[in-house]
Amino acid sequence: NFMLTQPHSVSESPGKTVTISCTRSSGSIASNYVQWYQQRPGSSPTTVIYEDNQRPSGVPDRFSGSIDSSSNSASLTISGLKTEDEADYYCQSYDSTLEVVFGGGTKLTVL
Amino acid sequence: QVQLQESGPGLVKPSETLSLTCTVSGYSISSGYYWGWIRQPPGKGLEWIGSIYHSGSTYYNPSLKSRVTISVDTSKNQFSLKLSSVTAADTAVYYCARGSSSVYFDYWGQGTLVTVSS
Repeated sequence: NFMLTQPHSVSESPGKTVTISCTRSSGSIASNYVQWYQQRPGSSPTTVIYEDNQRPSGVPDRFSGSIDSSSNSASLTISGLKTEDEADYYCQSYDSTLEVVFGGGTKLTVL
Repeated sequence: QVQLQESGPGLVKPSETLSLTCTVSGYSISSGYYWGWIRQPPGKGLEWIGSIYHSGSTYYNPSLKSRVTISVDTSKNQFSLKLSSVTAADTAVYYCARGSSSVYFDYWGQGTLVTVSS
């Protein structure tokens, strides 16, 4: 079993770039895909990044994902921030037994 | 368009069994993918409960495994969740979702709030 650790909150101004990290506690971050979900208040989560760095159709290219084996972490980067990006963001991965793990979530404030 | 809809009681008494059903439209469950349940306590993060593959194989969160059963009814294009011996800590919004081969959830239901209270 493993955990995914995210910062509790981040904030940035409109037009700027923000990066949210997701650190895997054990096992290699590169061993299993990492996904990122956006959840606005009162709504279901939606995928913004899957398979580490893939964007579903309809997700703007301002959203990008990456993994860093040296820090055993994944990152979600949002550039050209818009007020509509304000939401909670969750990373998610799994292990060899197909156990799914979510990070604790990061509240993004665009001020 | 794939759509999922949760249904079931919104109020369950402590020590009883929570039962929810997810009805899938726009895709046949027996055609593939896997199907999962995720919950979110009020004001908290997402917690994976478990998943079932179209083959019938099930995978559960180890912390809930002793109380969880997920099953599929392909004739009705539904899958279900049973969580036994509930307590107030099981109060949450429960989501059903479709899982892709890359083990991520690409379609989610709108969620249903289940409150555990006497």
